[in-house]
Amino acid sequence: QSVLTQPPSVSGAPGQRVTISCTGSSSNIGANYDVHWYQSLPGTAPRVVVYRNNNRPSGVPARFSGSKSGSSASLAITGLQADDEADYYCQSFDRSLSGWVFGSGTKVTVL
Amino acid sequence: QVQLQESGPGLVKPSETLSLKCTVSGSSINTNYFWGWVRQPPGRGPEWIVSLFHGGSTYYNPSLRSRVTMSVDTSKNQFSLTLTSVSAADTAVYSCVRGTIFDPFDPWGQGTLVTVSS
Repeated sequence: QSVLTQPPSVSGAPGQRVTISCTGSSSNIGANYDVHWYQSLPGTAPRVVVYRNNNRPSGVPARFSGSKSGSSASLAITGLQADDEADYYCQSFDRSLSGWVFGSGTKVTVL
Repeated sequence: QVQLQESGPGLVKPSETLSLKCTVSGSSINTNYFWGWVRQPPGRGPEWIVSLFHGGSTYYNPSLRSRVTMSVDTSKNQFSLTLTSVSAADTAVYSCVRGTIFDPFDPWGQGTLVTVSS
């Protein structure tokens, strides 16, 4: 059971917008710890697509954006492309566990 | 550019001990970062295992704490993971990572698959 809850899957046609939610609690996201988002492809290390809630690393397209409110966060992908098809995970820090926690993961499918 | 590289056996027998090393290049371990380990079982999401701030605190995943040890060898710019009494549930890709409480894990090592099987 993951500490951070994500929908198992989302899908969209090319060019559409999809959003992925990440629901935490008052001991992690709600305690003002930042949320980071990773894109995970088979056989490769996870890639950071959003860090500290709403920042994009260099090289990540502006189509990826993040937001945070209360104990939840979201990742939005606009102008969906075929190579966005991957698993996405949110991650934060939990003060009750005194450790880092990941979301349950969301598979993005491009129809 | 900081790079991490895992090394260790790819096959461990049940009830035995898993031991992995991570070699850091492009940076000294003696910096203001946590160094740690994350694993990803086949078909499942990542699970943080342990992180250590050199010269400071070690943070453990409570579900694994009783079986995990992490240490640092500054002379080799390496850190290591040992996980005792392994079972098939410990089969996963193990990756070493760098991070802070406020930043994402970045970079990651390429990961090494450890299979627990007799």
